[in-house]
Amino acid sequence: ETGVTQTPRHLVMGMTNKKSLKCEQHLGHNAMYWYKQSAKKPLELMFVYSLEERVENNSVPSRFSPECPNSSHLFLHLHTLQPEDSALYLCASSQGPVSTDTQYFGPGTRLTVL
Amino acid sequence: GENVEQHPSTLSVQEGDSAVIKCTYSDSASNYFPWYKQELGKRPQLIIDIRSNVGEKKDQRIAVTLNKTAKHFSLHITETQPEDSAVYFCAATPSGGYQKVTFGTGTKLQVIP
Repeated sequence: ETGVTQTPRHLVMGMTNKKSLKCEQHLGHNAMYWYKQSAKKPLELMFVYSLEERVENNSVPSRFSPECPNSSHLFLHLHTLQPEDSALYLCASSQGPVSTDTQYFGPGTRLTVL
Repeated sequence: GENVEQHPSTLSVQEGDSAVIKCTYSDSASNYFPWYKQELGKRPQLIIDIRSNVGEKKDQRIAVTLNKTAKHFSLHITETQPEDSAVYFCAATPSGGYQKVTFGTGTKLQVIP
């Protein structure tokens, strides 16, 4: 599948490092999302972008900084993370931000914070 | 905000039997309820969805029912097969505004051959 891609697939970083996660969608969609998936917890919506504008910030700590330079690309910049931030970070896209638009997920980045 | 509860957290069934997963939601404004399947090490994928103006929807071996009065919806899988083994997530989305999906905690389904 190449609809939504994410890089890197795995990332190990120290608490003082700065890293970025990248998401790219090849579906011509206008909305993109970042989710956090932790063990035994529901998928947590972090950010929603519609036409490159952030329309939702779900009370996410400032150590996570999203960037959407165009409708095909979405980044999540990470700095000064905590061990509890270790999780699978999933990107998704949909045609629009309308509630009934199907979201297509990327394969995720498995992040480990030491 | 919306709160979605999902039960059971794990479910084992014999191949050929049926499996039922139940979810409840709290926000009466929610009007769209998708179900996602996530196989081990893979991304979540939409398998079926239902809107609040419909009580039941079926797609081959998969069906979803919705009771808006009681605020609960269920996923039914009949004639289960080993490839149905995965984690299933329900979700609820309120009407209006931008999409803000609230997911359940997931059900790990194991189909025993």
